[in-house]
Amino acid sequence: GNSVTQMEGPVTLSEEAFLTINCTYTATGYPSLFWYVQYPGEGLQLLLKATKADDKGSNKGFEATYRKETTSFHLEKGSVQVSDSAVYFCALRWPTGGGNKLTFGTGTQLKVEL
Amino acid sequence: KAGVTQTPRYLIKTRGQQVTLSCSPISGHRSVSWYQQTPGQGLQFLFEYFSETQRNKGNFPGRFSGRQFSNSRSEMNVSTLELGDSALYLCASNRGGLGTDTQYFGPGTRLTVL
Repeated sequence: GNSVTQMEGPVTLSEEAFLTINCTYTATGYPSLFWYVQYPGEGLQLLLKATKADDKGSNKGFEATYRKETTSFHLEKGSVQVSDSAVYFCALRWPTGGGNKLTFGTGTQLKVEL
Repeated sequence: KAGVTQTPRYLIKTRGQQVTLSCSPISGHRSVSWYQQTPGQGLQFLFEYFSETQRNKGNFPGRFSGRQFSNSRSEMNVSTLELGDSALYLCASNRGGLGTDTQYFGPGTRLTVL
C-alpha cells in the first residue's frame, strides 16, 4: 500500500540555520505530494504541494521538489526563524480511487532557538 | 471566508459512553474528511463524505461512524468509547473535486476518555 516515511525528530536548529526534513514515499504511479504544518494547539495548515514529477512547491521560504526517481519530497528552507517551530507532516494523495484521502508521515518536530 | 469549524473543541468522556463530534466545512465545500491523531499512531484517515454519501473509509472498527447533512456539515460518532479512542479528531474540507484540490483542516476536537 501507499506509505510515507519522514525523518525522526525532534530537529533543533539555531535561528537562520538551513533546514532539511527528509520525506520519501512508497506508491505505484504518481501521487500528489504535500507538506502540512501544525502549530501547538492548532489543526494542520497546508504549507506547499506538488502534483507531478519535477514540480517544485514553495511557500513562506519553504521549498520541496517532487523527485520521481528517488520517490522523495524533501522540505527545505534556507534560513529558519523561531516562528517556524512546529510539527511538519509530509503526505500523499492519489488523484483517483482514493477520494481525497491523505496518507501522512509520522511528523517531524522542529524547534528553532535564538 | 470562515474556515473549517469543529465543535466542541474539548471533550471528556468515560469508557463505554458514546460521543458525537461536529464539523462545519468552508462555505461551498462539499467534501468532508475525518482524521484521528494520536502520539502512537499519528494521523490516520477515518472516512470522507461527499454530497451526503461516504466516499472512502479507513481501517477503523464499526464503532466509528459518520454522516453528512445536505448543508455539507458533518458529524462523526464513536460508540462504546475505549481508552484508546483518546485523540485529537481533525476534520478537513475541500470543494469535492478529486486530485489536486487543497484540503483545509479545522482546529480539531480533543477527546479524552477516562
